[in-house]
Amino acid sequence: AQSVSQHNHHVILSEAASLELGCNYSYGGTVNLFWYVQYPGQHLQLLLKYFSGDPLVKGIKGFEAEFIKSKFSFNLRKPSVQWSDTAEYFCAVTLGPFSSGSARQLTFGSGTQLTVLP
Amino acid sequence: NAGVTQTPKFQVLKTGQSMTLQCAQDMNHEYMSWYRQDPGMGLRLIHYSVGAGITDQGEVPNGYNVSRSTTEDFPLRLLSAAPSQTSVYFCASRRLEETDTQYFGPGTRLTVL
Repeated sequence: AQSVSQHNHHVILSEAASLELGCNYSYGGTVNLFWYVQYPGQHLQLLLKYFSGDPLVKGIKGFEAEFIKSKFSFNLRKPSVQWSDTAEYFCAVTLGPFSSGSARQLTFGSGTQLTVLP
Repeated sequence: NAGVTQTPKFQVLKTGQSMTLQCAQDMNHEYMSWYRQDPGMGLRLIHYSVGAGITDQGEVPNGYNVSRSTTEDFPLRLLSAAPSQTSVYFCASRRLEETDTQYFGPGTRLTVL
């Protein structure tokens, strides 16, 4: 079964700093990759996703992520964070389009809490 | 569309009590699922359903029951609550073949004393 690792549990940055959150997955085949964000007191929202094509994916609110297949990674980046980016960020994976059943379930990483200081 | 709705928002139970967390969606989605969110562990899948009358276990099903009598509703039942079930519970739904667009409910925060 696939698994997802997020090694940064809590990241604290000042406004305008650059952000990179790590995400690694374990599966050798085709995967679909996601970043979700959960703002305080709110439910999960999709930030961006990668299915195929250009490995550099742009999402909402200035976030982007790069899929590096050789490193099994899908790191999230933002050049300049804002206080409003304070949230918990989850990386998630499903197996590719030819998988079925439970393999197409979203498997989440443990999450990274981002705190941006004003 | 209301999207995915969950009730209640908060609940406190005593050990051994039973209760049902409600989840409903009005998007005619075939697939519905329940997750629990615990600090440092992300979201873990409890049960899921691919359509009315069809349910299956996820990663952490013990202590929970589900049923899917209609497309719209997917209740989660705790038959005998335990402190280990203290968590935030999220319901989600999507079209069966569209794994990219999953809609989450607002969550239910459950405390078991």
